[in-house]
Amino acid sequence: DIQMTQSPSSLSASVGDRVTITCRASQTISNYLNWYQQKPGKAPKLLIYAASSLQSGVPSRFSGSGSGTDFTLTVSSLQPEDFATYYCQQSDSTPYTFGQGTKLEIK
Amino acid sequence: EVQLVESGGGLVQPGRSLRLSCAASGFTFHNYAMHWVRQAPGKGLEWVSGIIWNSGYMVYADSVKGRFTISRDNAKNSLYLQMNSLRAEDTALYYCAKDRGQGSSGLLGLGWFESWGQGTLVTVSS
Repeated sequence: DIQMTQSPSSLSASVGDRVTITCRASQTISNYLNWYQQKPGKAPKLLIYAASSLQSGVPSRFSGSGSGTDFTLTVSSLQPEDFATYYCQQSDSTPYTFGQGTKLEIK
Repeated sequence: EVQLVESGGGLVQPGRSLRLSCAASGFTFHNYAMHWVRQAPGKGLEWVSGIIWNSGYMVYADSVKGRFTISRDNAKNSLYLQMNSLRAEDTALYYCAKDRGQGSSGLLGLGWFESWGQGTLVTVSS
């Protein structure tokens, strides 16, 4: 199985900050990498698919990059509604696997 | 608007069975692969199983293989998860999720989950 490792596990930031979350795969996955946002008590929401494609309706302050084994999710200017937990997920091969999550908190 | 509504969760004793359902609306259900993803209390996300549009290919996580069975009824716009021999470690919120793709034999859709239900809670305890 492909292991996905996110860093950091938690992050404190302020409104307006630029933040980056990284995700590393245990083997190359081309661009088969997706990002989700989850708020407490809610279902996950797809933000980015295929490493860098923005899901419809997602604000453009979210962006993704990377290929192979190393990927990043960037939020260019944090808004209050962005404080949540973020997960990466590989879709290169089954079983699909998720990173452990990065909790983004208000500083 | 895509809607996925899970049901069937509850408290069940170890070793017993439970069947989850997911009612889909707002899209052409038979055109898409579907998945179950679970989340144990306070933990991360775990993909459980997926099925392509015509039920011709299904895949399971090792943790549930041989115990869980995924199925769908395209006439009823419904996805199911039959869970047998339940264990305490199966305790989780179970989400139904829609794939972007249709899938084919050997390819379980595109593998990203563009719509999710609100989940149904399964608690396995004596």
